[in-house]
Amino acid sequence: QKEVEQNSGPLSVPEGAIASLNCTYSDRGSQSFFWYRQYSGKSPELIMFIYSNGDKEDGRFTAQLNKASQYVSLLIRDSQPSDSATYLCAVTNNQGGKLIFGQGTELSVKP
Amino acid sequence: DTAVSQTPKYLVTQMGNDKSIKCEQNLGHDTMYWYKQDSKKFLKIMFSYNNKELIINETVPNRFSPKSPDKAHLNLHINSLELGDSAVYFCASSLGSGSQPQHFGDGTRLSIL
Repeated sequence: QKEVEQNSGPLSVPEGAIASLNCTYSDRGSQSFFWYRQYSGKSPELIMFIYSNGDKEDGRFTAQLNKASQYVSLLIRDSQPSDSATYLCAVTNNQGGKLIFGQGTELSVKP
Repeated sequence: DTAVSQTPKYLVTQMGNDKSIKCEQNLGHDTMYWYKQDSKKFLKIMFSYNNKELIINETVPNRFSPKSPDKAHLNLHINSLELGDSAVYFCASSLGSGSQPQHFGDGTRLSIL
């Protein structure tokens, strides 16, 4: 079992729709959860982080965390073609800052 | 101003050579990291340093040797390069070595001929 699992996609949504990206993790000791966006040939860019159960909203992005189910998700409202990228889920148990990444979900937003 | 900068951006070299990658951050962070992203885009931590002290050393061949002269710099030296070392190497930094978000440099694309 992978430590952090994501559907590799591609996930295709029409412009203006809600994109829903999911991530599960195996370490129950995980404390902090991050979503990064990576455009092709570029570096990972931090979008959201969440530490507590529930929802956290920032603009068009909402991160959702359910520690009991070991599940974290990212919702992107009013998706734009510029949101087309690979989205990386990363978790840490806060020991040494070691981030464990999922394999990423490729999102394609069609005009 | 670039927050986390790596040099060089591209490195093309032959098997068996030794090469170094440099990383500098101007964010005032005290923890720095090296990650490797392979051809399948999987990103995996290699090392981390907190205030010049090594705190994470994953199962990386000892041909890879990180060095942190101060908390704003973390370099990576690779001896006897192998074909499997071809990847993109990312440097990152954070404030503290716990829960704080990490910020990544632009990466160094290493190609072994």
